[in-house]
Amino acid sequence: GQNIDQPTEMTATEGAIVQINCTYQTSGFNGLFWYQQHAGEAPTFLSYNVLDGLEEKGRFSSFLSRSKGYSYLLLKELQMKDSASYLCAVMDSNYQLIWGAGTKLIIKP
Amino acid sequence: DTAVSQTPKYLVTQMGNDKSIKCEQNLGHDTMYWYKQDSKKFLKIMFSYNNKELIINETVPNRFSPKSPDKAHLNLHINSLELGDSAVYFCASSQTLAEIYNEQFFGPGTRLTVL
Repeated sequence: GQNIDQPTEMTATEGAIVQINCTYQTSGFNGLFWYQQHAGEAPTFLSYNVLDGLEEKGRFSSFLSRSKGYSYLLLKELQMKDSASYLCAVMDSNYQLIWGAGTKLIIKP
Repeated sequence: DTAVSQTPKYLVTQMGNDKSIKCEQNLGHDTMYWYKQDSKKFLKIMFSYNNKELIINETVPNRFSPKSPDKAHLNLHINSLELGDSAVYFCASSQTLAEIYNEQFFGPGTRLTVL
């Protein structure tokens, strides 16, 4: 079966750095997406990785290792507005997105 | 300039009723989707439409039926509503389906509560 695993919840302090991990087992791989979802709102796109390595976009970076079936989202200089759920999703061989349950990130002052 | 819009935002109804949720996208995308997000926050794909053809139909009860009058609209009809149908339903769209980089744009969601 297909499986995406992420921690359920994480807590971090404003101004700090946090890393949210995602491991996956899917039938085929056509890229990995990270989405941000604030409570009561729709998911919004953050990043896309299809090759191994680190993609940096401002305070957010995403890393991928296809051989390990592993990705992480790195958030730097945390702000209170970063409190949200972060969803990892993998596109399988049928170009279908398989979603993780999301990691709820709580930022404390 | 809403990219993907859904109506209604909230829907409260009795068991056994039939209801519809509408979705429209003005991005010129070829593919639209319906997702169900339950209380555990899993996003589960229900349907996707590419150029007015149903191309993915997961193991969703046949009480749910998508209807696409044109490329910009994908409505969701639900017959004989059950308590377990209570969830948030998201509509989404993407440029196309069979393309590797395929960011999906989500609507604001419809919170359905079945009493």
